[in-house]
Amino acid sequence: EPEVTQTPSHQVTQMGQEVILRCVPISNHLYFYWYRQILGQKVEFLVSFYNNEISEKSEIFDDQFSVERPDGSNFTLKIRSTKLEDSAMYFCASEWGSSTGELFFGEGSRLTVL
Amino acid sequence: SQQGEEDPQALSIQEGENATMNCSYKTSINNLQWYRQNSGRGLVHLILIRSNEREKHSGRLRVTLDTSKKSSSLLITASRAADTASYFCATEAGDYKLSFGAGTTVTVRA
Repeated sequence: EPEVTQTPSHQVTQMGQEVILRCVPISNHLYFYWYRQILGQKVEFLVSFYNNEISEKSEIFDDQFSVERPDGSNFTLKIRSTKLEDSAMYFCASEWGSSTGELFFGEGSRLTVL
Repeated sequence: SQQGEEDPQALSIQEGENATMNCSYKTSINNLQWYRQNSGRGLVHLILIRSNEREKHSGRLRVTLDTSKKSSSLLITASRAADTASYFCATEAGDYKLSFGAGTTVTVRA
């Protein structure tokens, strides 16, 4: 069964460093998302991406964050200068069409900022 | 805020019993979805119910939606140890994003 894959599964970084989280969505899906879950808290929407541009972003997704689909298969989330409060599990998700509603999530990348 | 809120926060039941959890939300939605998350793992889509639907079944899962009360319930029948997980409702309001609740942690005792 096709699945969304994310790498790395866990990354530890120093505050102020740049981090890139990678995702390979399901191949025929058109809509891509990043969500995050701080330990013990709700899953929060970060950004949605369609047709090579951001469709929607949340207040969390400030200038320190960016997304890219560099080669038609990978979908990346970059945090330019990490802060302690960026420590969380980051989930990538993809969806075939916006009307289907069913998102397929990856297993997540745990980011720990020291 | 669109976010759903689940109730109860935690639920402990014996294997074979039914588990019911509820979700309330604040504004109009296109659909409401339920996801499962095993500890430390990703979110798995369980079922989606659209705003014009009142009830939906999938295997041992039954979801209801009452848009007048802005609430939904998820029933898991004949629970198994493997159903132990956190369950989240998520609402979608036509803005290409899901708003998740805080989740219900279900423990099924053997």
